Amino acid sequence: DAKTTQPTSMDCAEGRAANLPCNHSTISGNEYVYWYRQIHSQGPQYIIHGLKNNETNEMASLIITEDRKSSTLILPHATLRDTAVYYCIVRLANTGNQFYFGTGTSLTVIP
Amino acid sequence: KAGVTQTPRYLIKTRGQQVTLSCSPISGHRSVSWYQQTPGQGLQFLFEYFSETQRNKGNFPGRFSGRQFSNSRSEMNVSTLELGDSALYLCASSSGLNTGELFFGEGSRLTVL
Repeated sequence: DAKTTQPTSMDCAEGRAANLPCNHSTISGNEYVYWYRQIHSQGPQYIIHGLKNNETNEMASLIITEDRKSSTLILPHATLRDTAVYYCIVRLANTGNQFYFGTGTSLTVIP
Repeated sequence: KAGVTQTPRYLIKTRGQQVTLSCSPISGHRSVSWYQQTPGQGLQFLFEYFSETQRNKGNFPGRFSGRQFSNSRSEMNVSTLELGDSALYLCASSSGLNTGELFFGEGSRLTVL
């Protein structure tokens, strides 16, 4: 699986959009980009995933660049409950549910 | 519906002992994965079971083992415990083998003294 690079930490004001970047310059054509988050003392939570096109669900939007070498997770209106570690993972399909989580970005939403 | 349930939530063992952790997946989910989380190594994949068969295995020694029952419930066992096995053990269930969408439990926190 391709390696990802994320900033160690970020802050975001409550109510503003949180934009979390992820670089995956060695991604291959059939690898998906997944985002999970882990709120302190809880298990990770699935957020969203995509292959080429931008994706949106009730939690977030995922913007993948045309060359697929980077992506951005957008939380449109961050709340204090969004304070968590966010993991960007690149993964081949059909490889089971084995994920390599890396170190992620620690997002702090500030009141 | 009920989420992923892990028992026990907390336990303390001493070196050399063994431990068994249990995971009940979401009803209808047939895939169960196990992860170890430590401050130094982060989240690391242990193994995945689907329909009672181990499908994937991470890079852990043979002291770590698991199994899945016909009702999809899973157990993992760690034998001859070492201090470094102190960790949060997380179980995740999924409806299928390659969905990519995992539902995690709250974990079992093991402390080895």
